[in-house]
Amino acid sequence: GQQVMQIPQYQHVQEGEDFTTYCNSSTTLSNIQWYKQRPGGHPVFLIQLVKSGEVKKQKRLTFQFGEAKKNSSLHITATQTTDVGTYFCAGYGAGSYQLTFGKGTKLSVIP
Amino acid sequence: DVKVTQSSRYLVKRTGEKVFLECVQDMDHENMFWYRQDPGLGLRLIYFSYDVKMKEKGDIPEGYSVSREKKERFSLILESASTNQTSMYLCASSWTVSNQPQHFGDGTRLSIL
Repeated sequence: GQQVMQIPQYQHVQEGEDFTTYCNSSTTLSNIQWYKQRPGGHPVFLIQLVKSGEVKKQKRLTFQFGEAKKNSSLHITATQTTDVGTYFCAGYGAGSYQLTFGKGTKLSVIP
Repeated sequence: DVKVTQSSRYLVKRTGEKVFLECVQDMDHENMFWYRQDPGLGLRLIYFSYDVKMKEKGDIPEGYSVSREKKERFSLILESASTNQTSMYLCASSWTVSNQPQHFGDGTRLSIL
């Protein structure tokens, strides 16, 4: 079945440093979604990418979808303590009804 | 704003008990999902439903069943609870099967003793 791998599993950064998490799928995705889960909270939808090579920005967050639609990345510029949490990518395979989640990257920000 | 409500935030049950986890959404979403979340394993899909009385198995359906008698309500049933079912259970809903974000409830932390 479809697998979505996400690295790194953990990332500790000093406040103000940049952060990137990477997502790779074993199969071509029809779209990819990103979620953020704060400590003690539930996953919250951030964004969806659909087109090959698509890049979207939300303030300090930049999301990319690879040309082959098999990989994606989330980059945070100048991290803040409010960025703490676990970031998940999740993708639908072509013709699939199931959203497959990566295992997430847990971000810690040291003030 | 979408509201997905899970009946319990914390639940403690004993091995062998039949356990019901309830989820209600208020946005008339067609699709509803049950996941379990374990450290290091991310979110794994147990079952999902795309319509009333319809259900599909996810990646880890063994030991679970579901019920969707009304559009807004999706129940997860542990037929005979076992200790390896101790986990965080998350319910989610969405408008359509794909290309729409999923909205999650706050989760139920279930402990099986």
